[in-house]
Amino acid sequence: AQKVTQAQTEISVVEKEDVTLDCVYETRDTTYYLFWYKQPPSGELVFLIRRNSFDEQNEISGRYSWNFQKSTSSFNFTITASQVVDSAVYFCALSEEPSGGSYIPTFGRGTSLIVHP
Amino acid sequence: EAQVTQNPRYLITVTGKKLTVTCSQNMNHEYMSWYRQDPGLGLRQIYYSMNVEVTDKGDVPEGYKVSRKEKRNFPLILESPSPNQTSLYFCASSLSPYGTDTQYFGPGTRLTVL
Repeated sequence: AQKVTQAQTEISVVEKEDVTLDCVYETRDTTYYLFWYKQPPSGELVFLIRRNSFDEQNEISGRYSWNFQKSTSSFNFTITASQVVDSAVYFCALSEEPSGGSYIPTFGRGTSLIVHP
Repeated sequence: EAQVTQNPRYLITVTGKKLTVTCSQNMNHEYMSWYRQDPGLGLRQIYYSMNVEVTDKGDVPEGYKVSRKEKRNFPLILESPSPNQTSLYFCASSLSPYGTDTQYFGPGTRLTVL
């Protein structure tokens, strides 16, 4: 069974600080997909990244970066020089390779990031 | 503009009164899915569809139906809503469930069943 743990319920930082959101996953599959989503206070969901298990290269997109480490089953998300607009709840998710046709992601409980000016 | 639209955005209804939440995407995506979000339970997938006429159950399909008669539309149907279906619902679409393409979400539908 797949499982995603986001141990940090809430993180509070001051603008311009770097912050890392942790995501630890459990799966028995060798092929799986990892995701990060953002949900700002306005409530919409925003897709940030999807990574498959065969691609362990770190990803950077502007101030966002993701560190995928199979050895520790982690897919951590770092925001560099945080801004107030980064304040949101961030979700990590895992989906195993479909077996029998099923494709059902499991989401972590989310980490609420508060960036103070 | 690439987008997923959902309607209605807000709905208050009563137990047992059938309702449909519409979802439409303009990106010719094959993969579409529905999620519900509840405090304490997080996000859970209700149904998904890999293509026209191909739908499958997610984590919490009980009490819901879907259809995919056209690629762009993926309505969520509650035949007999109950209070435990009070939730925030999101529709999403992408080219496929795998790969690295972007997944797009609708703005959400906040449903209250009295």
